[in-house]
Order: sequence, then C-alpha cells, then structure tokens
Amino acid sequence: DAKTTQPTSMDCAEGRAANLPCNHSTISGNEYVYWYRQIHSQGPQYIIHGLKNNETNEMASLIITEDRKSSTLILPHATLRDTAVYYCIVRVRSNTGKLIFGQGTTLQVKP
Amino acid sequence: GAVVSQHPSRVICKSGTSVKIECRSLDFQATTMFWYRQFPKQSLMLMATSNEGSKATYEQGVEKDKFLINHASLTLSTLTVTSAHPEDSSFYICSARQTDRGNEQFFGPGTRLTVL
Repeated sequence: DAKTTQPTSMDCAEGRAANLPCNHSTISGNEYVYWYRQIHSQGPQYIIHGLKNNETNEMASLIITEDRKSSTLILPHATLRDTAVYYCIVRVRSNTGKLIFGQGTTLQVKP
Repeated sequence: GAVVSQHPSRVICKSGTSVKIECRSLDFQATTMFWYRQFPKQSLMLMATSNEGSKATYEQGVEKDKFLINHASLTLSTLTVTSAHPEDSSFYICSARQTDRGNEQFFGPGTRLTVL
C-alpha cells in the first residue's frame, strides 16, 4: 500500500472549518483514499473514503486532487469533540487490502 | 451501521499468565478480522490478519506462538496473549471487514492490557 504524509499536528478554532491535508504521491490507480480518526483511548472511527471524485457525507468532505497525489479532509464546522488523531490511509478496496496506519495528524479544536 | 465489540475493555494480569481478548462483529458476518496493537503516543500497528476457518497471517516481527489467534466463527475472533510480560502491556484493537459493504473495516473500542 502507498505511503501517506500528513502534518504532525494542527489547531482549529471551534466553529471553523478544519482542513487536514494528506500527500499520497505514489498512490496506484486502484487504491482508495480513506480517512479514519481516533479519539483518545478509543478504536478508530471511519470518516470517509474516495477514489477520484470528491465525496461528502454527514461527517466530512473529501477533496482529491485531479492527479490523485494529495487530498484534503474538511470538517465544515469543527467542535471540541472533533479533537482527535486523523489518519489518511490509501489501500486497495478488496478482500486483501489492509489498513496500515501512519502517524496521522493530531487535530486540536480550541474554544 | 456495522458494530464491532471487544471484551474485556480493560484487563490487569500478573506476569506469566495468559489473557484472552474477544472481538465480535455484532450485526454482520466477518470472514476476516484484524488485530492491532497501540503503544502510548504511537500509531496502530497491525499484528495479524485473522481468517475464519483458517490460520491467521502474522505481520513480520509478531510472534505467532505468543499471540494466538482463533477465528472459529464468522462473528468471533480471539487473541490470546500467552505468558504475558510487562512489555506486552498495550492497547489492543480489533477490526472486522464487512464483505457486503465494499470490504470496509470497522473497529472495536479496544482492550487495555496491563501486565504487572
């Protein structure tokens, strides 16, 4: 699976949009971009995934560049409960693809 | 949505004893489950892939005789830490792959193991 690069940490003001970048310059054509987050001492929570089109769900939006070498997760109105470590992972969406976690971005939402 | 549970949520044991952790997919069948380990302030590390009805596949560097995995049914996988030592103290997290939902993985809440 392709490696991803994320900033170690970010701050965001409560109520503002949080934009979390991820670089995956070696992504293959059949690899999807996944985002998970982990709130302290809990299991990871699925947020969103995409292949090449932008995606939106009730939690977030995912913007993938046209060349697919990078993406941005957007939390439109961050709350204190969004403070967590956010992981960007690329993997093949098959019965053999594994989720391999990098170091992620620690997002601190501040009042 | 897909729910994965783990039991126990916390366990404290003495050095040298064995501890069993259960991972259950509550509302779907999972032919494949995964076990991860996470040390403080570190990311999740994949330990092994558990396949229903067959032997688990271990990642490089993970001792298969120390971390016994059994996946006897489509909703249950167990991880047994044998002869636990203080360095095995960690947060153990399982996930289950839901085949009929695009092979997405859903995670359990984790088990905190403390070996004294």
